Amino acid sequence: GDSVTQMEGPVTLSEEAFLTINCTYTATGYPSLFWYVQYPGEGLQLLLKATKADDKGSNKGFEATYRKETTSFHLEKGSVQVSDSAVYFCALSTGNQFYFGTGTSLTVIP
Amino acid sequence: DVKVTQSSRYLVKRTGEKVFLECVQDMDHENMFWYRQDPGLGLRLIYFSYDVKMKEKGDIPEGYSVSREKKERFSLILESASTNQTSMYLCASSLVPDRGYTFGSGTRLTVV
Repeated sequence: GDSVTQMEGPVTLSEEAFLTINCTYTATGYPSLFWYVQYPGEGLQLLLKATKADDKGSNKGFEATYRKETTSFHLEKGSVQVSDSAVYFCALSTGNQFYFGTGTSLTVIP
Repeated sequence: DVKVTQSSRYLVKRTGEKVFLECVQDMDHENMFWYRQDPGLGLRLIYFSYDVKMKEKGDIPEGYSVSREKKERFSLILESASTNQTSMYLCASSLVPDRGYTFGSGTRLTVV
């Protein structure tokens, strides 16, 4: 069935370091792909999305490119800040179904 | 922006109590969802609804029921709360899933 696999955490980085959180997917159709972010004590917020192959989603300095050939949607940011500390969820949608990864916790230290 | 409002941020209930978690969205979305979130288990779908008075079981419906009498409101009901239902509960809505979900801020429920 359809599913999302993302890298296990937790991830700890120093401020201004480069971030990559890996996400791969399995889907029978042509899914839309998403990254959500959850700050401590909050619900999930949509960070970025891409709806077709080779699309790049971007927001707040984060980027992810929909790679059909590698079935991946890796999240990247060139220089993380302490305020980026949160849990990040990769997700896919195929029609009426939505699937979340298990989340990757990121802590950025000054 | 779409807003999804969950009535309580924190709730403490006793074992055996009937618990109502309320969720309201203000953008006329057909689709609404209830998830629970637990450490190491990610988000698990409890119930969802594609229309008024319509409900579908998700992956873990046991011990829960839902009510959707109006389009904007989707209630999660714990018929007889148990300690293993202590969790963070997240409500979400969407117009079309391909556009993504909008989540509420969550209700952290503790059953003692």
